[in-house]
Amino acid sequence: AQSVTQLDSQVPVFEEAPVELRCNYSSSVSVYLFWYVQYPNQGLQLLLKYLSGSTLVKGINGFEAEFNKSQTSFHLRKPSVHISDTAEYFCAVSERSNYQLIWGAGTKLIIKP
Amino acid sequence: DAGVIQSPRHEVTEMGQEVTLRCKPISGHNSLFWYRQTMMRGLELLIYFNNNVPIDDSGMPEDRFSAKMPNASFSTLKIQPSEPRDSAVYFCASSPRPVNTEAFFGQGTRLTVV
Repeated sequence: AQSVTQLDSQVPVFEEAPVELRCNYSSSVSVYLFWYVQYPNQGLQLLLKYLSGSTLVKGINGFEAEFNKSQTSFHLRKPSVHISDTAEYFCAVSERSNYQLIWGAGTKLIIKP
Repeated sequence: DAGVIQSPRHEVTEMGQEVTLRCKPISGHNSLFWYRQTMMRGLELLIYFNNNVPIDDSGMPEDRFSAKMPNASFSTLKIQPSEPRDSAVYFCASSPRPVNTEAFFGQGTRLTVV
């Protein structure tokens, strides 16, 4: 069965420092991979997605993620965070023929001034 | 496009009362999802519609929950009777294709049952 693990429930980081949010998944078939962001009291917004092709995916707000099939990972990175990046970040996976999105538990990114 | 529109944004109701949450998906999207988000359980898919037809309602907690999609531009999630454990944020999301390459979320309805 599919599952998604976000290894850190919270990640504190200083403003302008780099950040990596980790996501690992388990699946026996080919998958689509997503990162969503949820700002306080808001819905979820797509940051980026991997469907096929280049394993390095660039998204909005300067974020990028790299798909690593051998390690079944899809870690999210940003070289320099801003206070406005304070939010909760969700990793999700779906099988290529399935509507069902399997969600990670989320990682709260806390930016320290 | 205005995005996915949910109403109300906040709802406070007494235990035992009926609650109806509303959703207007993005025009042209033929897939619609209702999710529930809680601290304890995270994001849970309640029900999935494709072309207004319920395809998967296995996530609906119990018979107190029901969902309808009478047309392509409107869906409701009803809880009757409501219980305190139903308190959560309920999200509606729509997608342009059945295979979920991207879901667009509404801002959610925060339900509090007292």
